[in-house]
Formats: sequence, structure tokens, C-alpha cells
Amino acid sequence: EPEVTQTPSHQVTQMGQEVILRCVPISNHLYFYWYRQILGQKVEFLVSFYNNEISEKSEIFDDQFSVERPDGSNFTLKIRSTKLEDSAMYFCASRYLAGGNEQYFGPGTRLTVT
Amino acid sequence: AQSVTQLDSHVSVSEGTPVLLRCNYSSSYSPSLFWYVQHPNKGLQLLLKYTSAATLVKGINGFEAEFKKSETSFHLTKPSAHMSDAAEYFCVVSPGGYGGSQGNLIFGKGTKLSVKP
Repeated sequence: EPEVTQTPSHQVTQMGQEVILRCVPISNHLYFYWYRQILGQKVEFLVSFYNNEISEKSEIFDDQFSVERPDGSNFTLKIRSTKLEDSAMYFCASRYLAGGNEQYFGPGTRLTVT
Repeated sequence: AQSVTQLDSHVSVSEGTPVLLRCNYSSSYSPSLFWYVQHPNKGLQLLLKYTSAATLVKGINGFEAEFKKSETSFHLTKPSAHMSDAAEYFCVVSPGGYGGSQGNLIFGKGTKLSVKP
């Protein structure tokens, strides 16, 4: 069964460094998402991406964040200058049709900023 | 504004007994509602979804949920718990209904289910 994959599973970085989190969505899906979950808190929406552009973003998704689909398979989240409060589990998700809202999630990347 | 409230942060049951995980939602529109499960060190797996077709929704692994508009609830149940059901469960709402928006999801805080032998 097709699934969303994410790499790395765990990333440790120093404050101020740039990180790129990678995702490979399910191949025929059209909508892509990033969410994050700070330890002990809710899963929060960051951004959605469709037709090679951001379609919606939350207030969390400020100028330090960017997303890209550099080729036909990868979907990346970049954080330009990480802060301690960026430490969280980051989930990528994808979905197929506009008529169906169910999203399929990857296993997550745990980002630790020291 | 849309929101989801999961009424219990932790539920503990014995194997073979029923499971009830409670969820209330708030939505301005006819909502799409979902339950996701997260096993330790695993991703979020879709258990079931409500999309206005039927109020009683059956999902995987014997779980089901009933949409009650009058109570704004979408509780998750299972007649008989199994040890493998131990996980964290998230009630989720999609603003704008089925297919009506770009579909960003709003999560509840999660309920951790423990199953005792």
C-alpha cells in the first residue's frame, strides 16, 4: 500500500542553522501539507500546497519557513534560522482529490534545536 | 471558528472491555470529521471518517463512531479492546466540509488509550 515517507526520522541542529525536512507524498496525490506537534501540545497546521504554490498557511508559518516541490516526488520544508521553539515533530501529509479531505500522514521528523 | 475538544486525555480499559473515546466539535459549516490513531514512533493513521453520508461510521480494526449533530459529538467506540489498540487517538475536523476547502485539519489534543491485560 502506498505511503508517505519522511526523512530524516530525527534531526538535531543548533540554533540559527538552516534545516530541510523532506517528504515523499503518495505519488498520485495533488495536495500536500506540513503540520507540527510540539511535545505535549496539539498537532498544528502549518501550510498547504497545491499546483506548485502555497494555498493556505497558518500564522506559525512565518518568513523563516518555506516549502518547495523541487521535482515530481519530493516536498520539502525549510526552516532558515532555527529557534529553540521550533523543536517539534513535523508531519507531512498528502491527499488526492478535492472531493475528499482525508489526508495520509508520514511517520514524522523529530526536530531538536539545541 | 472550528475546534475540537477531546474530553479525556487518558483512558484506561481492560482487554476485552468496551472502549469509548469522547470528542466534541465546533464548526460553522457541515463538518468533515475524522479519527486518527498514532502508535508509538509511528505516523498518524486514518481510522475512520464522517462525510455526511451516514451518521454511524465504521472504521478499521473494529472501531466505529457516531456523528450526533444535536450534541456536536463524534465519539469513538469499540466493543472489545485489544492490547494492540493501545495508542494515542486524535479527533480531527476539517473546516468547510467535505471538499469545500483546501482541507487543512484541526486536531484535538489526543486521548491516550491504555489497555490492561
